[in-house]
Amino acid sequence: GAGVSQSPSNKVTEKGKDVELRCDPISGHTALYWYRQRLGQGLEFLIYFQGNSAPDKSGLPSDRFSAERTGESVSTLTIQRTQQEDSAVYLCASSLDARSEQYFGPGTRLTVT
Amino acid sequence: GDSVTQMEGPVTLSEEAFLTINCTYTATGYPSLFWYVQYPGEGLQLLLKATKADDKGSNKGFEATYRKETTSFHLEKGSVQVSDSAVYFCALRGSSNTGKLIFGQGTTLQVKP
Repeated sequence: GAGVSQSPSNKVTEKGKDVELRCDPISGHTALYWYRQRLGQGLEFLIYFQGNSAPDKSGLPSDRFSAERTGESVSTLTIQRTQQEDSAVYLCASSLDARSEQYFGPGTRLTVT
Repeated sequence: GDSVTQMEGPVTLSEEAFLTINCTYTATGYPSLFWYVQYPGEGLQLLLKATKADDKGSNKGFEATYRKETTSFHLEKGSVQVSDSAVYFCALRGSSNTGKLIFGQGTTLQVKP
């Protein structure tokens, strides 16, 4: 079956613009995660969705970042008024539940100029 | 809060050499520990895991033992191959219900023929 997919694969935007990143999880996976990977660094947790429960937003770096997920399907991560420090690869992962293996998508490389 | 520290890279080895990548962690409770690998041009994938103290995770010739007394989860392989060249990430999942992963900064391994 299909893995986790993300779009776009690359995004170049000007500072101050808003961007929207999309994640399609594996079908049937109730848990979905967003992470950020800055150049040469490890992954930073951003946000977690589990079914219809309130999301864990504890990793979002500022109020410019937000994410939504409808049920157990697609999720979008929105960054408003982008800054150069937002440049990174944004990775999405999904899992059957919170204690199961996470499967990662290929990521979206965001470059803010 | 929870954290993971791994040895800095890059690590350069000749084929058939012995590999150790050190990983230590700080966490409350009883975390689960993971090694993820990112091959060039590919997405992040789970290499091995251990969910309780003294467990040994193994896969593709790689091993790591969960040592609670030293809060470590070092990755080892007896004889590396050129195809093992990749970035390796140590990660933990804490005791919370969210399942979010805390990653180390990654260690680049280059194996020369």
